Amino acid sequence: EPEVTQTPSHQVTQMGQEVILRCVPISNHLYFYWYRQILGQKVEFLVSFYNNEISEKSEIFDDQFSVERPDGSNFTLKIRSTKLEDSAMYFCASSAGLAGGLDTQYFGPGTRLTVL
Amino acid sequence: AQSVTQLGSHVSVSEGALVLLRCNYSSSVPPYLFWYVQYPNQGLQLLLKYTSAATLVKGINGFEAEFKKSETSFHLTKPSAHMRDAAEYFCAVTVNSGNTPLVFGKGTRLSVIA
Repeated sequence: EPEVTQTPSHQVTQMGQEVILRCVPISNHLYFYWYRQILGQKVEFLVSFYNNEISEKSEIFDDQFSVERPDGSNFTLKIRSTKLEDSAMYFCASSAGLAGGLDTQYFGPGTRLTVL
Repeated sequence: AQSVTQLGSHVSVSEGALVLLRCNYSSSVPPYLFWYVQYPNQGLQLLLKYTSAATLVKGINGFEAEFKKSETSFHLTKPSAHMRDAAEYFCAVTVNSGNTPLVFGKGTRLSVIA
């Protein structure tokens, strides 16, 4: 069964460093998403991406964040200058883009980001 | 704006007992509702979803949920718990379609005791 994959599973970085989290969505899907979950808190939406541009973003997704689909298979989240509060589990998801409420977001296993 | 409240961060049941995980939502427009499950070291897996076709929704692994508009609830149930059901369960809501942002509850950890 097709699945969303994410690399790395765990990333440790120093505050102020740039990190890139990678995702391979399901191959025929059209919508891509990033969510994050700070330890003990809710899963929160960051951004959605469709047709090579951001379709929606939350207040969390500020200028420190960017997304890119550099080729036909990868979808990346870049954090330009990490802060301690960026430590979280980051989930990538994708969906086929079905209409009428039939669409379903499929999630990857997550990347745990630890900022020291 | 939508929101989800999951009552009980941790629920513990005996193997074979009824599982009931509670979810209440808030939405100013008709919602689409989802239950996801997360097993240890895995991603979020869709259990079931409500898209207004039927109020009682059956999902994978014997789970089902009933949409009750009057109670703004979408509780998840399973008649008989198995050890393999031990996981974190998340309720989520969105509007318009499934490709709009999901708003999640805080999750409920289900433990199953032998």
